[in-house]
Amino acid sequence: GAVVSQHPSWVICKSGTSVKIECRSLDFQATTMFWYRQFPKQSLMLMATSNEGSKATYEQGVEKDKFLINHASLTLSTLTVTSAHPEDSSFYICSAYSGSSYNEQFFGPGTRLTVL
Amino acid sequence: QKEVEQDPGPLSVPEGAIVSLNCTYSNSAFQYFMWYRQYSRKGPELLMYTYSSGNKEDGRFTAQVDKSSKYISLFIRDSQPSDSATYLCAIGLGTYKYIFGTGTRLKVLA
Repeated sequence: GAVVSQHPSWVICKSGTSVKIECRSLDFQATTMFWYRQFPKQSLMLMATSNEGSKATYEQGVEKDKFLINHASLTLSTLTVTSAHPEDSSFYICSAYSGSSYNEQFFGPGTRLTVL
Repeated sequence: QKEVEQDPGPLSVPEGAIVSLNCTYSNSAFQYFMWYRQYSRKGPELLMYTYSSGNKEDGRFTAQVDKSSKYISLFIRDSQPSDSATYLCAIGLGTYKYIFGTGTRLKVLA
C-alpha cells in the first residue's frame, strides 16, 4: 500500500511552453500533498504545500504564478510549470500525506523536466 | 547556518562494512527525525523515523538521535552493494513539514 505515482516520468519541452505534472495517491486519500524540486546532487527543496480544495501555500522564493498547483481531489494534485525556461529544468517530486501520523509522507518517483 | 547539515560524500565502503551517516541541525525545536534512501532518478523512500533521543533498530539499520548535541546518525551494518544510494536525513517540527539534508552518496563496493 501507500503508493504515489507521478506522470509523466520524463518530459522535454521547448522554452516558453507549459508543462503539467500529475501526482496521484493510488491506494489512500491524501489530505495534503507536497511538491519538491531537486537539482542535481542537491537535496529536496519544498516548493509548496497543497490541501484538497484550497489554495496551495508556496514557500518563500517560489513564484506562485509560474508554478500553478491544483489539488482537485484527495488523490490527485497537479503542478503546472508555466512558460518554462531552461532554468526550470529539474527533478520534480511530489509526496502525499495521509494525515494519520507524522511520518506518513509517501513520495512519488519524480518527474524529470528538461526545458530546451 | 543551515538548518540541517549533512556531509554530501561520496562515501565508498567495501561490502560488509559498517556505514555511519550523520546530520546536524540547528533548531532544538525539531521533534521528528527521518532517514530516506533515494536511488538515482527515483523518489525517496522512508527507511527510519524516530522522535526521541536514543537508538532505534530495524534489521541492519539503526537510527540514533542525540537531541542535546543536535546530532542524528544512521548506521548500516553488513552493508551490501544494493545499499548504494543517496541517504537523506529529514527533520520536522510538530507538523508534517520536513527539512531535508543535502544527502550523502554511498557506494558499497562488491
